[in-house]
Amino acid sequence: SQTIHQWPATLVQPVGSPLSLECTVEGTSNPNLYWYRQAAGRGLQLLFYSVGIGQISSEVPQNLSASRPQDRQFILSSKKLLLSDSGFYLCAWSEGTGREQYFGPGTRLTVT
Amino acid sequence: GESVGLHLPTLSVQEGDNSIINCAYSNSASDYFIWYKQESGKGPQFIIDIRSNMDKRQGQRVTVLLNKTVKHLSLQIAATQPGDSAVYFCAEILISGGYQKVTFGTGTKLQVIP
Repeated sequence: SQTIHQWPATLVQPVGSPLSLECTVEGTSNPNLYWYRQAAGRGLQLLFYSVGIGQISSEVPQNLSASRPQDRQFILSSKKLLLSDSGFYLCAWSEGTGREQYFGPGTRLTVT
Repeated sequence: GESVGLHLPTLSVQEGDNSIINCAYSNSASDYFIWYKQESGKGPQFIIDIRSNMDKRQGQRVTVLLNKTVKHLSLQIAATQPGDSAVYFCAEILISGGYQKVTFGTGTKLQVIP
């Protein structure tokens, strides 16, 4: 069976500090991978998606970046966090031709 | 631009009654639609989907209706239970080049009254 992991589960970081969130998928190969952000009381906003190793597409301009160093590893990073970066970050995967996206447990980031 | 939105931000329903959660979409080119359930502090969970060439699809206690004329999507939950309390998101999916672009609505909070 397939599983998706995210860590850390929660994170409190000061403004201006770097960020690295990790997402890994098990039990599947060559998945499409996604990073979403959910602000409090808001819907999900697609940040990045990847259809393969080293292939990253950004949906919105921001101070965040994403990388996919391995087939089933997706990393969300920032060099300097802003207060507005606070939120719930979700990683998801899907099969190339599948319809359903499977979400990870999420990381709650608070920037102080 | 294209958007997916919900009519009601919060819905309170008596336990045992039926719930109807609505969603409006604007991208007529979307290939299919999904309803997700998100419990507090957790990631969204897939409930049911419907292809754009269908009008209705039924699952276990849930039914999704798609009205392409007015670009409206609804999720019906039969015999609502306390465990159904959560935020429900509709999403529209556009498939292009093997990649699926998902646009989520803001969500409706369903509160089940025991």
